[in-house]
Amino acid sequence: ELKVEQNPLFLSMQEGKNYTIYCNYSTTSDRLYWYRQDPGKSLESLFVLLSNGAVKQEGRLMASLDTKARLSTLHITAAVHDLSATYFCAADSTSGGGADGLTFGKGTHLIIQP
Amino acid sequence: NAGVTQTPKFQVLKTGQSMTLQCAQDMNHNSMYWYRQDPGMGLRLIYYSASEGTTDKGEVPNGYNVSRLNKREFSLRLESAAPSQTSVYFCASSEAGGFYEQYFGPGTRLTVT
Repeated sequence: ELKVEQNPLFLSMQEGKNYTIYCNYSTTSDRLYWYRQDPGKSLESLFVLLSNGAVKQEGRLMASLDTKARLSTLHITAAVHDLSATYFCAADSTSGGGADGLTFGKGTHLIIQP
Repeated sequence: NAGVTQTPKFQVLKTGQSMTLQCAQDMNHNSMYWYRQDPGMGLRLIYYSASEGTTDKGEVPNGYNVSRLNKREFSLRLESAAPSQTSVYFCASSEAGGFYEQYFGPGTRLTVT
């Protein structure tokens, strides 16, 4: 059974600082997804990581995947208030061909203060 | 393109009542999904449909049924609602399952009293 764990679950940080959110998963999965959710809103796709060593960047966010360590990271550089949100990582089971849905972490509630 | 749409946006039910949540996508995606989101629990998969004509149980299927009406539409039915089904329900779709991100609808906030 695939399990996904994120840490920290809650993070309060100051603008301008750097920080990393960690996502561990329990069984073989070559695909890792990051989503953002604003309060009361739906989920917005940020990154799709499809292979070991994959790195993707968008603005102040950078995501990476290490399939051997079963670890993905979401790094925030020089945080700004607009990045305040809840961030979810999710993985799918390769045994299902990827069509059998995602297993989500519990989410990291990120607050960025001026 | 509207993407993924869901109706209703909000619903209050009494214990034992039934209802159907509707979901439609206009992206010609093969795979569709229903998740529920509870505080502190992340999202959990209820049912999915990998392709038109197929449906399968996810992590938390008890108390729910689904219908893949056609390629565009995937509905979730609560036959006899219980307070434990109070949640936010999200429908999602993806192009071919795996390798592609899932696109999520706006959600339905359901309260069962």
